[in-house]
Amino acid sequence: NAGVTQTPKFQVLKTGQSMTLQCAQDMNHNSMYWYRQDPGMGLRLIYYSASEGTTDKGEVPNGYNVSRLNKREFSLRLESAAPSQTSVYFCAAEQGAWGYTFGSGTRLTVV
Amino acid sequence: AQSVTQLGSHVSVSEGALVLLRCNYSSSVPPYLFWYVQYPNQGLQLLLKYTSAATLVKGINGFEAEFKKSETSFHLTKPSAHMSDAAEYFCAVSNTNAGKSTFGDGTTLTVKP
Repeated sequence: NAGVTQTPKFQVLKTGQSMTLQCAQDMNHNSMYWYRQDPGMGLRLIYYSASEGTTDKGEVPNGYNVSRLNKREFSLRLESAAPSQTSVYFCAAEQGAWGYTFGSGTRLTVV
Repeated sequence: AQSVTQLGSHVSVSEGALVLLRCNYSSSVPPYLFWYVQYPNQGLQLLLKYTSAATLVKGINGFEAEFKKSETSFHLTKPSAHMSDAAEYFCAVSNTNAGKSTFGDGTTLTVKP
């Protein structure tokens, strides 16, 4: 089925470790997004990419970096994980402003 | 600038009762508005969207929402709740120039038998 695929689904990191969250879409959409979801805080935008080759900061970019490798893939990197980055991370793709297609999420715990 | 306020973080209804989830928005340009549903341990799924066509929008699973510019509202309704409607619902606003939606904090819907 067409959609957005995120890997891994679960991850436990120690404080200070690094990791990359992977996201790929097969819908040929221009825009891709990374959000984090925390209880009672809705979804907060970390970074987004309006098109291949461009990335911009969202509401909560500190501690993260992104790469839009090609039109399909948009990765999120944590260089030095902190407990405050424990969250559920969602990748999404969109064409124009017609609504997002979300991945199933990555549940990250930093201990 | 754009923002969304969802009134009520938790709503509980009986099976068969009316579902009403409230959303008010703020936008400096004509908005696009969305409702998403999230079932436990899943990603969000688009329920319906308003993109400046008809003000009453019908979505999946019997939900609908009405855009009221004078009230800056986009409330979500369903005439008769079903147990399977229990989930978290998010309202979101975007502008007509690009995506980058802003989400509300979510409303958890509980359906009692």
